[in-house]
Amino acid sequence: EDKVVQSPLSLVVHEGDTVTLNCSYEVTNFRSLLWYKQEKKAPTFLFMLTSSGIEKKSGRLSSILDKKELFSILNITATQTGDSAIYLCASSTQGGSEKLVFGKGTKLTVNP
Amino acid sequence: DGGITQSPKYLFRKEGQNVTLSCEQNLNHDAMYWYRQDPGQGLRLIYYSQIVNDFQKGDIAEGYSVSREKKESFPLTVTSAQKNPTAFYLCASSQTSGSRYTQYFGPGTRLTVL
Repeated sequence: EDKVVQSPLSLVVHEGDTVTLNCSYEVTNFRSLLWYKQEKKAPTFLFMLTSSGIEKKSGRLSSILDKKELFSILNITATQTGDSAIYLCASSTQGGSEKLVFGKGTKLTVNP
Repeated sequence: DGGITQSPKYLFRKEGQNVTLSCEQNLNHDAMYWYRQDPGQGLRLIYYSQIVNDFQKGDIAEGYSVSREKKESFPLTVTSAQKNPTAFYLCASSQTSGSRYTQYFGPGTRLTVL
């Protein structure tokens, strides 16, 4: 059974801190790994990673994939209170179906 | 504006009633999905459809039904057979070709059973 595990499940930091969120996966016919940010309602897309070792960056957020060790990390530098959200990691598989398998999410709280 | 809309935003249901949640997209996406989100559980796939008039069960399809008569629409019915329907329901859509298969989500419907 395909599985995605995120850690930690919950994290509380102060503004300005740097955080690293972890995502490991065990997926048959892995195609890509996706990160989403969920504030109050709809998850919004952050990154899609398909190749090992290539960092994707958007402002203070960056992410990288290690296909040998089967994990990804999401880094947020100089955190702000607006970064408070649930961060979801999901994997997709090759071969016809477009299903995503989601982890349980990491709830990040950034205090002023 | 292109996007995914879900209605209603909040829905209250009495036990034993069927309810239908609406999901519409104008992104011209072929595939559509329904997920359920419970606290601490992440997103779990209920049903998905990759083409009109075809759909497949996800991981937790029992007690739910769907239809896909139009490309733009993928309504979800929560039947009385669903034992614990109180949850946040999210609809998503995506392309199915090339690398453009990232799923985009609607704003969600929060269903509460009274």
